[in-house]
Amino acid sequence: AQKITQTQPGMFVQEKEAVTLDCTYDTSDPSYGLFWYKQPSSGEMIFLIYQGSYDQQNATEGRYSLNFQKARKSANLVISASQLGDSAMYFCAMSAHGSGNTGKLIFGQGTTLQVKP
Amino acid sequence: KAGVTQTPRYLIKTRGQQVTLSCSPISGHRSVSWYQQTPGQGLQFLFEYFSETQRNKGNFPGRFSGRQFSNSRSEMNVSTLELGDSALYLCASSKETGLSYEQYFGPGTRLTVT
Repeated sequence: AQKITQTQPGMFVQEKEAVTLDCTYDTSDPSYGLFWYKQPSSGEMIFLIYQGSYDQQNATEGRYSLNFQKARKSANLVISASQLGDSAMYFCAMSAHGSGNTGKLIFGQGTTLQVKP
Repeated sequence: KAGVTQTPRYLIKTRGQQVTLSCSPISGHRSVSWYQQTPGQGLQFLFEYFSETQRNKGNFPGRFSGRQFSNSRSEMNVSTLELGDSALYLCASSKETGLSYEQYFGPGTRLTVT
């Protein structure tokens, strides 16, 4: 069965420093997509970054980069130069595979990040 | 481009009642997925609609249902509400469905069942 594991319930980072949020995944399918979302206290899930299983290079979007290590089944999110507005819950997710499994993302339990001034 | 909108944002209902939540996807998006988020269970997939057809359903009882209209707007209905249905209900839209298509979420409807 597919599964996403985020082992850090909460993390602190100093403003302007970089931080890495861990994510490991489990799937038997060779084709999958990995996503990171940010959820501020307002509740809305904000899409941050996507990595495909066949992508050769790590995905980057502005201050966000995804450290994709396929053999280790990890997809860690790196946030560079943290800002106070980065304080939120962060979710790692994987697209469910199988012909009948359309439109479904499997989420980890999330990591709460707090940025200190 | 307008984002995903959900109405209402907050709702308080009593046990046994039914509720209907609405979701308007981003213009041009044909897929709408619904999720339930609770502190204990996290984010769980409810169902997905594409071109007015339910194509995927999560592991929820039949009290949870939904539909999609020709303009891609979607509604979900929960009948005979239970206390455990208190949750944040999120809908997400996507241009297409597939492994590489990101989903864009609305602000959610926070349902409280008393």
